[in-house]
Amino acid sequence: GENVGLHLPTLSVQEGDNSIINCAYSNSASDYFIWYKQESGKGPQFIIDIRSNMDKRQGQRVTVLLNKTVKHLSLQIAATQPGDSAVYFCAENSGGSYIPTFGRGTSLIVHP
Amino acid sequence: EAGVAQSPRYKIIEKRQSVAFWCNPISGHATLYWYQQILGQGPKLLIQFQNNGVVDDSQLPKDRFSAERLKGVDSTLKIQPAKLEDSAVYLCASSRGGGQPQHFGDGTRLSIL
Repeated sequence: GENVGLHLPTLSVQEGDNSIINCAYSNSASDYFIWYKQESGKGPQFIIDIRSNMDKRQGQRVTVLLNKTVKHLSLQIAATQPGDSAVYFCAENSGGSYIPTFGRGTSLIVHP
Repeated sequence: EAGVAQSPRYKIIEKRQSVAFWCNPISGHATLYWYQQILGQGPKLLIQFQNNGVVDDSQLPKDRFSAERLKGVDSTLKIQPAKLEDSAVYLCASSRGGGQPQHFGDGTRLSIL
């Protein structure tokens, strides 16, 4: 079946570096994508979203890039801080009712 | 605005027992989701409601799981009887509608002995 996957299960960076978290999706019908951050013991928290009619969207310190040709999504975090340490999930939404599918997640570890 | 409320926070039961989880979404959010998150994995959608109607329940094990959202606001998820493999965190989320960002509660951690 269709699935959303992440290339790297763990990413370690130094404080102040830029982080890039990648996500591959396989459902070409997906048209709405969301990145979530999940800290231990908490529910996922919305970071940023992008629709399929865009290829880039920027937020505060975060940028999401969408490449529909290769079905790839990335989350860029600028000047990574220790508070950014968490598991990051991408989710794709497909169909008229936007049924969501989450990937496995990438654990981001930021070293002070 | 108040976030998504879930209770209980933790639950421990023996296999073959029953358990129920409760969710109160953000006020005005028409869409409500229940997810199962097994340790080390991403959330898996169990059921999606739009108001009090079911949009998708294709991954809900209907022989043992049931969910309802009778008045289009609060929702309950029930497991009867529980199996060892049901040990997981059960997350509830809500959104203004489909295709909108979801807001999650902190979940109920279920342990089956």
